[in-house]
Amino acid sequence: SQQGEEDPQALSIQEGENATMNCSYKTSINNLQWYRQNSGRGLVHLILIRSNEREKHSGRLRVTLDTSKKSSSLLITASRAADTASYFCATAPNTNNDMRFGAGTRLTVKP
Amino acid sequence: DAGVTQSPTHLIKTRGQQVTLRCSPKSGHDTVSWYQQALGQGPQFIFQYYEEEERQRGNFPDRFSGHQFPNYSSELNVNALLLGDSALYLCASSFGDLAYEQYFGPGTRLTVT
Repeated sequence: SQQGEEDPQALSIQEGENATMNCSYKTSINNLQWYRQNSGRGLVHLILIRSNEREKHSGRLRVTLDTSKKSSSLLITASRAADTASYFCATAPNTNNDMRFGAGTRLTVKP
Repeated sequence: DAGVTQSPTHLIKTRGQQVTLRCSPKSGHDTVSWYQQALGQGPQFIFQYYEEEERQRGNFPDRFSGHQFPNYSSELNVNALLLGDSALYLCASSFGDLAYEQYFGPGTRLTVT
């Protein structure tokens, strides 16, 4: 069964704007990861945030984690057309890394 | 440094048949996880192999089985295929039993007719 739930399901923005995607989950976690997927191909790992971390940055990406609310957000700043993809959050309930994915947010960045 | 590779890329099978999918992990990785992704959905965890043993298993029937070889590569076998098994099958590799990021292969697109 799926653990995470992304919101919104779809997001359409103009190039240069920021995109924010949210993820909620149900059980306690060891870590939360964000992935990108282009057109039904393999997933690309973006960033991992551990349960004892609150915020993490990687280039134009900023991820926050609120374990009290069981939620995370992914912010992509200064979006580009190449950022068009589906974005998934995945949680690991334990250290064995059996990831539980949400249904994803479909991001479209218009040039 | 080769990433995760999967074969075949595409596969078409008939209901009731059996299929074997293959995965080679990223260099230096020893753990392989398999996921099923139906169209428009997120990946669903099937099982994970570490030290040639199934360590974790998701909510999938026994028709789904796997194997890990001494070189860490892995196979996913599905018996008695159903139409609902049509999906993208993703393999991911990681290192050890710690919660490091997983690296995914390009997937195998299975179509059951």
